[in-house]
Amino acid sequence: NAGVTQTPKFHILKIGQSMTLQCTQDMNHNYMYWYRQDPGMGLKLIYYSVGAGITDKGEVPNGYNVSRSTTEDFPLRLELAAPSQTSVYFCASRQGNQPQHFGDGTRLSIL
Amino acid sequence: ILNVEQSPQSLHVQEGDSTNFTCSFPSSNFYALHWYRWETAKSPEALFVMTLNGDEKKKGRISATLNTKEGYSYLYIKGSQPEDSATYLCASRSQGNLIFGKGTKLSVKP
Repeated sequence: NAGVTQTPKFHILKIGQSMTLQCTQDMNHNYMYWYRQDPGMGLKLIYYSVGAGITDKGEVPNGYNVSRSTTEDFPLRLELAAPSQTSVYFCASRQGNQPQHFGDGTRLSIL
Repeated sequence: ILNVEQSPQSLHVQEGDSTNFTCSFPSSNFYALHWYRWETAKSPEALFVMTLNGDEKKKGRISATLNTKEGYSYLYIKGSQPEDSATYLCASRSQGNLIFGKGTKLSVKP
């Protein structure tokens, strides 16, 4: 099993551009999550999904969108990138009461 | 919204010292408490998931306890080694998603 795979690992985006952060998992987990990690702030939940076709806002959803057309994939889209979205983004998945499995993160800079 | 607090924020110890951190969480509607180890430039890795009051878990030199009635969990590291240097995250789950604390950053000097 590859676990949770995120791409890209690094990216630089210009203000106003859009991009999609990819996340896929091969563990057949129902629950998937997107977090952002800012210095001194811990992990903040952006969006989550409890299964294919179902998504919900987390704590900090503004400026982001997600979709969950399959169990495996949970892409995160930034439509109009802003400097405040410079962060490290982590995707995670979980099944039942098992621990969450995290991807390696995407380091995104918006200039 | 749940508030998960971890203390201390950071900790510097010498190799061989034993240490412990605290995670406090709201005790109402408690479902599970997770501990993760997060090394710099890597992703968080699960250490323990605990659900029952009085639970104790152990993995090598690392152990954890859980008190759901008063809403706290302790993580213990016995005989710290430089490779234990990392941020230790706890997260609490009630009916919904995990709420993460900000972590305790441990530095172990050789």
